[in-house]
Amino acid sequence: GQQVMQIPQYQHVQEGEDFTTYCNSSTTLSNIQWYKQRPGGHPVFLIQLVKSGEVKKQKRLTFQFGEAKKNSSLHITATQTTDVGTYFCACPPGNQFYFGTGTSLTVIP
Amino acid sequence: NAGVTQTPKFQVLKTGQSMTLQCAQDMNHEYMSWYRQDPGMGLRLIHYSVGAGITDQGEVPNGYNVSRSTTEDFPLRLLSAAPSQTSVYFCASSGGTANTIYFGEGSWLTVV
Repeated sequence: GQQVMQIPQYQHVQEGEDFTTYCNSSTTLSNIQWYKQRPGGHPVFLIQLVKSGEVKKQKRLTFQFGEAKKNSSLHITATQTTDVGTYFCACPPGNQFYFGTGTSLTVIP
Repeated sequence: NAGVTQTPKFQVLKTGQSMTLQCAQDMNHEYMSWYRQDPGMGLRLIHYSVGAGITDQGEVPNGYNVSRSTTEDFPLRLLSAAPSQTSVYFCASSGGTANTIYFGEGSWLTVV
């Protein structure tokens, strides 16, 4: 199946600090999606990136797709306690979606 | 809209028992899938379907069966439960031009 590595696996930050998670694929991707899962909840779609070098922003969240379309990153500026959860990238090689292992973010007030 | 509905939410099984996790979606999505989530392992694809009558295996299909007789329903069957199948299971559907994945709320399964 699709090889998708996501780092780091865990991240603890003080509230107000920045946070970044990276997703790396062994193959070129047609597109990549990002999801957030709150503790005890289910994954919820955040965004999809399609173009090489694409950058999209959602308030304090910045998503980037690498030039080679093999990696992506999610950056959160000035984390808040509401950012707590696990962030997944998802790579669709066709009809099935493979997810990265996720980055679990803890925000310390 | 209900979206993706999966039942039951919690279940305890004895080793060797069989059961079915139900999943239904009301968005007329072609694609449906089942994932299991274990600590440190992320979301792993069990089985998926690209339309009624069509199913295929994902990363971890052993011990599970699926069928897709209608567009709306995609049940997951555990044939003979094992403790290694203790996990949280998510049903998901996707479709349309955006291909966004919509997840059910999850089913917590414990096999003792």
